Amino acid sequence: DQQVKQNSPSLSVQEGRISILNCDYTNSMFDYFLWYKKYPAEGPTFLISISSIKDKNEDGRFTVFLNKSAKHLSLHIVPSQPGDSAVYFCAASEEGGSEKLVFGKGTKLTVNP
Amino acid sequence: NAGVMQNPRHLVRRRGQEARLRCSPMKGHSHVYWYRQLPEEGLKFMVYLQKENIIDESGMPKERFSAEFPKEGPSILRIQQVVRGDSAAYFCASSPLFGGQGMSLAFFGQGTRLTVV
Repeated sequence: DQQVKQNSPSLSVQEGRISILNCDYTNSMFDYFLWYKKYPAEGPTFLISISSIKDKNEDGRFTVFLNKSAKHLSLHIVPSQPGDSAVYFCAASEEGGSEKLVFGKGTKLTVNP
Repeated sequence: NAGVMQNPRHLVRRRGQEARLRCSPMKGHSHVYWYRQLPEEGLKFMVYLQKENIIDESGMPKERFSAEFPKEGPSILRIQQVVRGDSAAYFCASSPLFGGQGMSLAFFGQGTRLTVV
């Protein structure tokens, strides 16, 4: 029973265009969401997060959108750069400050020059 | 300020041997988490520790796995009598704060890749 789903295993975009990575969740108790970026043979690196009381959070080229009614969030990267090529993981934690993160399986983003 | 240090980076064990994975958290971080990533999967929570205390081990397999974070020294994840299904990447993270929002301040180590032959 996968509580966090990233249905696209891979995504390919052209440099300078927008990358949109999607994530769906099933657990209505999740109230904090994070996106991580991971290069091969390295640990995940935190990118951006959003609390359930917001519907948008922006940090430079990265914006996360949250649609609570649809249990859906997305990460927008604009403009995309070749260095953004990596695996992106969506993660969620339950309300009450649970320390446990539930991760999706990841989406491999390739940004072509 | 050194990041989260995990060693070894790669570990090969024969079935039935013991595996010891070490994690030194970032300076000033008192919360340590272990996650496991099986091939083609996302990371799965295993255990959350503070100094000398296991706070949440709900993600740990009931047998053969144990973790500790002593007063001095690194956190250790110990797997006894390894089996092929234990082959995975094991990541440690440390955070200065508790909870989901604490994880936005957490740093992950580079992981230990365990191969059981």
